[in-house]
Amino acid sequence: DIVMTQSPDSLAVSLGERATINCKSSQSVLYSANSKNYLAWYQQKPGQPPKLLIYWASTRESGVPDRFSGSGSGTDFALTVSSLQAEDVAVYYCLQYYTTPRTFGQGTKVEIK
Amino acid sequence: QVQLQESGPGLVKPSETLSLTCTVSGGGFVSTFYWSWIRQPAGKGLEWIGRIYPSGNTNYNPSLRSRVTMSIDTSQNQFSLRLSSVTAADTAMYYCARDVSGSATIDERAFDTWGQGTLVTVSS
Repeated sequence: DIVMTQSPDSLAVSLGERATINCKSSQSVLYSANSKNYLAWYQQKPGQPPKLLIYWASTRESGVPDRFSGSGSGTDFALTVSSLQAEDVAVYYCLQYYTTPRTFGQGTKVEIK
Repeated sequence: QVQLQESGPGLVKPSETLSLTCTVSGGGFVSTFYWSWIRQPAGKGLEWIGRIYPSGNTNYNPSLRSRVTMSIDTSQNQFSLRLSSVTAADTAMYYCARDVSGSATIDERAFDTWGQGTLVTVSS
């Protein structure tokens, strides 16, 4: 199985400041045939299912605010919230969908400082 | 707008079989998507259980493979999960989700649509 490791486990950021979450996979999730990284980011608020934010490592899902961005390739990825808003308080998960079993990171809790 | 809704018993006895159904509405039950089950114990992370294609092909998480069976009924726009020999460790919120993978015509976006989830408690 591909192991996904996120860091940090939690972070507190002031409103309007940048938040960055890292995700590392135990093996590359880059598919050479199309040069796509099969890495997605999800946001989960209490009592709700996860919501897709980013897929293919850096493609923003329709309707997701542009303050959310994804970067990275191969085994190292990051999700950045450029200017944290109150509604961004949530747990964020990375997911590899390069192969089965699909595997998630352990989650990163983002709070307001 | 595709919508998914899980249904099934909220309480299952230890050693028995957990059975859940996911109903897809809004015109999204087409033959080009995979359909997955994912679970989440309270306060913990997400675990992929497995997926099924409308042809009936399945992929299961090796950690659960010996106890998992998935099925699909395209005429009813439903797919189902059965997990046998449950224990307290299987207590979790269970989600169904659309898995947009392997498509040559639309962006492969992994789990782009989720149900609201159904809480299953294993207890006598």
